Amino acid sequence: NAGVMQNPRHLVRRRGQEARLRCSPMKGHSHVYWYRQLPEEGLKFMVYLQKENIIDESGMPKERFSAEFPKEGPSILRIQQVVRGDSAAYFCASSPGAQRGYEQYFGPGTRLTVT
Amino acid sequence: AQTVTQSQPEMSVQEAETVTLSCTYDTSESDYYLFWYKQPPSRQMILVIRQEAYKQQNATENRFSVNFQKAAKSFSLKISDSQLGDAAMYFCAYRIQIQGAQKLVFGQGTRLTINP
Repeated sequence: NAGVMQNPRHLVRRRGQEARLRCSPMKGHSHVYWYRQLPEEGLKFMVYLQKENIIDESGMPKERFSAEFPKEGPSILRIQQVVRGDSAAYFCASSPGAQRGYEQYFGPGTRLTVT
Repeated sequence: AQTVTQSQPEMSVQEAETVTLSCTYDTSESDYYLFWYKQPPSRQMILVIRQEAYKQQNATENRFSVNFQKAAKSFSLKISDSQLGDAAMYFCAYRIQIQGAQKLVFGQGTRLTINP
């Protein structure tokens, strides 16, 4: 059973461009979480999605950031008009459900660099 | 709001010795989970150990054990017989157990160095 897949692993964008980060959850997992890790900091929650639904987006910046998890295909975190402050590692995690005992399994992360 | 505090930005230990990493948290909830994650230079987040708040017994996984003090809101990680491969950033994390509120709240991390 393959783990959580994220691509690309490294992404370089110029200021003003768009960044698209993809996350394929583990097989059988329908819950996806996105976290951001700024340099020398812990991970910060951004958004929690189930298939076709955003459950909790309390950690998402109000502008330029959006996330989706369609019925088919990977979850996408989209950052429009990137700025240098968006440079960070973005981690996706997945779980099979929200019940007690279900763990979140992390992907290897996407390191975004904005030049 | 829930917060997690790791007061030790860096720790070092001699190989084969024991080291304890500290973590405190703040919550008004009674049902939650606590975790320690390891992040080696590859940046992959690896779950080391977890503790359910309603369980009084401290969790243990091989050389890793926790000291969970619920009243003090303290959750420290003890690594016994430290090995070179234990060198990494260690993050303490908290997760409330409410449907629809599954986010993990992380501390700032402790960088652990193992001296040969």
